[in-house]
Amino acid sequence: QQPVQSPQAVILREGEDAVINCSSSKALYSVHWYRQKHGEAPVFLMILLKGGEQKGHDKISASFNEKKQQSSLYLTASQLSYSGTYFCGTVGNNNDMRFGAGTRLTVKP
Amino acid sequence: DTGVSQDPRHKITKRGQNVTFRCDPISEHNRLYWYRQTLGQGPEFLTYFQNEAQLEKSRLLSDRFSAERPKGSFSTLEIQRTEQGDSAMYLCASSLFAGTNGYTFGSGTRLTVV
Repeated sequence: QQPVQSPQAVILREGEDAVINCSSSKALYSVHWYRQKHGEAPVFLMILLKGGEQKGHDKISASFNEKKQQSSLYLTASQLSYSGTYFCGTVGNNNDMRFGAGTRLTVKP
Repeated sequence: DTGVSQDPRHKITKRGQNVTFRCDPISEHNRLYWYRQTLGQGPEFLTYFQNEAQLEKSRLLSDRFSAERPKGSFSTLEIQRTEQGDSAMYLCASSLFAGTNGYTFGSGTRLTVV
């Protein structure tokens, strides 16, 4: 029931773009995205609800295709502060969230 | 509001001992969640409460683990007869029922079983 994230790791230069994918084998009610920096708690980025919506948050945006049970996180013009591990969390009909294994993003100068 | 508070931040215990962790959620949040995270992995769901009711408990969780939220405010997570495999970061999070604002996580309690 744990969603699958890809890629496992990404290394970028400042200003480059990245896409992180999240897929689930079960029907989803919503998808959450979180970023966790080393030694810190996960921090909420955004939530996408059933209905195939797309959201943006500064230069970070995401889409949710409920039919395919997939979500993607888009990071454009990456900054050093974007470094961290990104987790998707999927919520099904039972209302509890399962996290993927994470994608480690490193942005270099 | 100071966010989600967890206590203690670190706990070292000997194998076989019992430990209890506390979580104080954001006061207006009616949902409270416990997760466990090991190095390099995503948070693993343990259990969650809506107000004082425990609505779901992970099947992966052995009966050595128990959680309470007696008055729908703070919560405790107890691990009995700790094992080395219990060593992990234990994260608490809270949210509003509607969930459109996501979960707010505490800083976690790092448990080391020696």
